[in-house]
Amino acid sequence: EAQVTQNPRYLITVTGKKLTVTCSQNMNHEYMSWYRQDPGLGLRQIYYSMNVEVTDKGDVPEGYKVSRKEKRNFPLILESPSPNQTSLYFCASSLSIQNNSPLHFGNGTRLTVT
Amino acid sequence: AQSVSQHNHHVILSEAASLELGCNYSYGGTVNLFWYVQYPGQHLQLLLKYFSGDPLVKGIKGFEAEFIKSKFSFNLRKPSVQWSDTAEYFCAVTAGYSSASKIIFGSGTRLSIRP
Repeated sequence: EAQVTQNPRYLITVTGKKLTVTCSQNMNHEYMSWYRQDPGLGLRQIYYSMNVEVTDKGDVPEGYKVSRKEKRNFPLILESPSPNQTSLYFCASSLSIQNNSPLHFGNGTRLTVT
Repeated sequence: AQSVSQHNHHVILSEAASLELGCNYSYGGTVNLFWYVQYPGQHLQLLLKYFSGDPLVKGIKGFEAEFIKSKFSFNLRKPSVQWSDTAEYFCAVTAGYSSASKIIFGSGTRLSIRP
């Protein structure tokens, strides 16, 4: 089944403790992206990747890192999480943004930083 | 810079009522437009999309949207809503040139349907 898989679904952590949220897609998509969803603000893009080893900042990249060593994986790294990073995070992939393909979303990761 | 505005933050309707959710974008060139739906507790799913051609686009579950270039709008419509349409709806836009790499989302409209 074609899908985008995020793990974990729920995560509670403390300020400053490094964490990684994994994202994997099995559709051989070139484009992958991370969003955070906050009430009243919709989805805001954190980082995106056009292809392997090609990543770029979105609208709200501060406090986040990503890597794209393989086509299928696009982990989101919070080196030193802070409470303002408490949010619902979605990973998404697309065959190619340049071909106007729609995004396929993962099921989300609800992160709480205390 | 591109932006997308969804002016209705929360819409409450009764079943069988007609629906129209507003979406306006700011970009002077060719655009690609999307509506995504997020059912409670689920991830976003594509509802419909417009790239070119007929400005009236039909999507899944009886939804349609009309691209009006002169108004920079892409409003979502459904003639008769059902309780199962309760969800959050997001309009999104990408620029139409080949190097586009970002999708800009609106802030979303929460739709509540009274049974």
